[in-house]
Amino acid sequence: DAKTTQPPSMDCAEGRAANLPCNHSTISGNEYVYWYRQIHSQGPQYIIHGLKNNETNEMASLIITEDRKSSTLILPHATLRDTAVYYCIVVRVTIGGTSYGKLTFGQGTILTVHP
Amino acid sequence: DAGVTQSPTHLIKTRGQHVTLRCSPISGHKSVSWYQQVLGQGPQFIFQYYEKEERGRGNFPDRFSARQFPNYSSELNVNALLLGDSALYLCASSPGTGKAEKLFFGSGTQLSVL
Repeated sequence: DAKTTQPPSMDCAEGRAANLPCNHSTISGNEYVYWYRQIHSQGPQYIIHGLKNNETNEMASLIITEDRKSSTLILPHATLRDTAVYYCIVVRVTIGGTSYGKLTFGQGTILTVHP
Repeated sequence: DAGVTQSPTHLIKTRGQHVTLRCSPISGHKSVSWYQQVLGQGPQFIFQYYEKEERGRGNFPDRFSARQFPNYSSELNVNALLLGDSALYLCASSPGTGKAEKLFFGSGTQLSVL
């Protein structure tokens, strides 16, 4: 699976948008970009995933560049409860396979939301 | 519906002992994965089971083993515990039928080896 690079930490003011970047320059055509977050002392929580199109759900938006070499997770109105470690993960999905069960977590980005 | 449940939540063992950790996936989920998370690091993949068969194994010694039962629950066993096995052990489940799925994680078992 392709390796990802994320900034170690970011700050954001409460109520503002948090934009978390991720570089995955070696991504292949059959690899998805997934985002998970982990709040202290809890298990990781799925946020969003995408292949090449931008995606939006109730939690966040995912913007993937046209060449797919980088992406940005956007939390539109950050709250104090969004303070967590955010992981960008590239997953190779094979037809009939279960490769999504094996995630390779990096160090992630520690997002701190300030009042 | 209940999420992924893990037991026990905390466990203290001494070096050389063995431990069994348990995981119940979300109802209907057939895939279970295990992860180890050492303090300050991201989770590391240990095993994946799907339909009671091992489908993936991470870079862990043979002291680590797992199995999945007919009801899709799973056990992780670690023998001859070392101090370095102290970590948060996470279980995750997914339906196991889709092309691109999301994992649902439990809150983990915090294992301390003294």
